[in-house]
Amino acid sequence: KQEVTQIPAALSVPEGENLVLNCSFTDSAIYNLQWFRQDPGKGLTSLLLIQSSQREQTSGRLNASLDKSSGRSTLYIAASQPGDSATYLCAVNQAGTALIFGKGTTLSVSS
Amino acid sequence: EPEVTQTPSHQVTQMGQEVILRCVPISNHLYFYWYRQILGQKVEFLVSFYNNEISEKSEIFDDQFSVERPDGSNFTLKIRSTKLEDSAMYFCASLGGREWVQETQYFGPGTRLLVL
Repeated sequence: KQEVTQIPAALSVPEGENLVLNCSFTDSAIYNLQWFRQDPGKGLTSLLLIQSSQREQTSGRLNASLDKSSGRSTLYIAASQPGDSATYLCAVNQAGTALIFGKGTTLSVSS
Repeated sequence: EPEVTQTPSHQVTQMGQEVILRCVPISNHLYFYWYRQILGQKVEFLVSFYNNEISEKSEIFDDQFSVERPDGSNFTLKIRSTKLEDSAMYFCASLGGREWVQETQYFGPGTRLLVL
């Protein structure tokens, strides 16, 4: 059964720092991996999607990498801002279209 | 930008009562989903719906749950006899579906259900 784990569970950084969030999954047979952002009490907003054949995707200050063989993905956030404070969720598409989520990393960026 | 909408935003009910959560997915999307998130826990998949029938469901989606697309726009989740452990945030999502491997799901803002 696929398990998705995210480390760390929480992270606090000062504004301007570059940071890395980690995601690992137990079964490498995935179609894609997605990163979402969740603000308190809100829905999920898609950030990046990496297909299984891809190694990385970039959007603005965000860069996500995928190493399918080792079951790992990282989300790199450059020059963090207070507005980046949120919970970041990693999810994989394994069988069908349903997503399997990790528990998330809660990021706090202080000004 | 098109968005998924959900109603109500909050619902409080008594144990054993039936509740219906409503969603309007993005028009022309082909796949619809319900997920739930118990406070402090992971987002969990419940069910997906495609071509007017359930395409996948998790072990959580037992006989007390049902889904329906009663018309061309709404997508509903019914819980027949609510239990305390059904208290959670319920998210609806939709997916275009024509090239689903490279498409993301769009999530609604959620309905917070509290069972007393």
